[in-house]
Amino acid sequence: DTAVSQTPKYLVTQMGNDKSIKCEQNLGHDTMYWYKQDSKKFLKIMFSYNNKELIINETVPNRFSPKSPDKAHLNLHINSLELGDSAVYFCASSQAKGRGYTFGSGTRLTVV
Amino acid sequence: GQQLNQSPQSMFIQEGEDVSMNCTSSSIFNTWLWYKQDPGEGPVLLIALYKAGELTSNGRLTAQFGTTRKDSFLNISASIPSDVGIYFCAGQLRNFGAGKSTFGDGTTLTVKP
Repeated sequence: DTAVSQTPKYLVTQMGNDKSIKCEQNLGHDTMYWYKQDSKKFLKIMFSYNNKELIINETVPNRFSPKSPDKAHLNLHINSLELGDSAVYFCASSQAKGRGYTFGSGTRLTVV
Repeated sequence: GQQLNQSPQSMFIQEGEDVSMNCTSSSIFNTWLWYKQDPGEGPVLLIALYKAGELTSNGRLTAQFGTTRKDSFLNISASIPSDVGIYFCAGQLRNFGAGKSTFGDGTTLTVKP
């Protein structure tokens, strides 16, 4: 039973396309996050939702739009993909502030 | 913004050796977290620290919350090949930023059998 599951695991697409990444957690956590890991392995927060409400929106191009239909799901839609969007995107969840995260296994996005 | 610097950036050690790595911040955190990332996987939480000076162990791993609240340390004793991976520290401000974690730039550990 995967605690935080992301799909797809790999995504290869052409510049200009629109794509979505889905994330689901079965831990009953209230807060979910999207992080981007670049080629140097640096992890940077993009968004956070608490009980379906957007609470963190870092400086991310508005081509990226998160959607949380319920507190167990947080999806990421990306419009007009660019080469620089290539990275590994991680979904994570946490029970409360000041606690650690449970990460998904990541989605490797390659834009060609 | 806040920056976390981890050192060393990479380590190459022999199986059985002990490992020490640290994480320093330009500002204070009130929670420090240590994660390990295996290739092709997401980071996995190893240890969480909540109080300045706190020392916490998890098997062969021991981590400390620095007294200045601007640093943290992770030690691994008697390393084994499966310790290979990237170790990340992360800092949080519990009552601010909605639980946002700021991550360090990672220490890559290689263990030679």
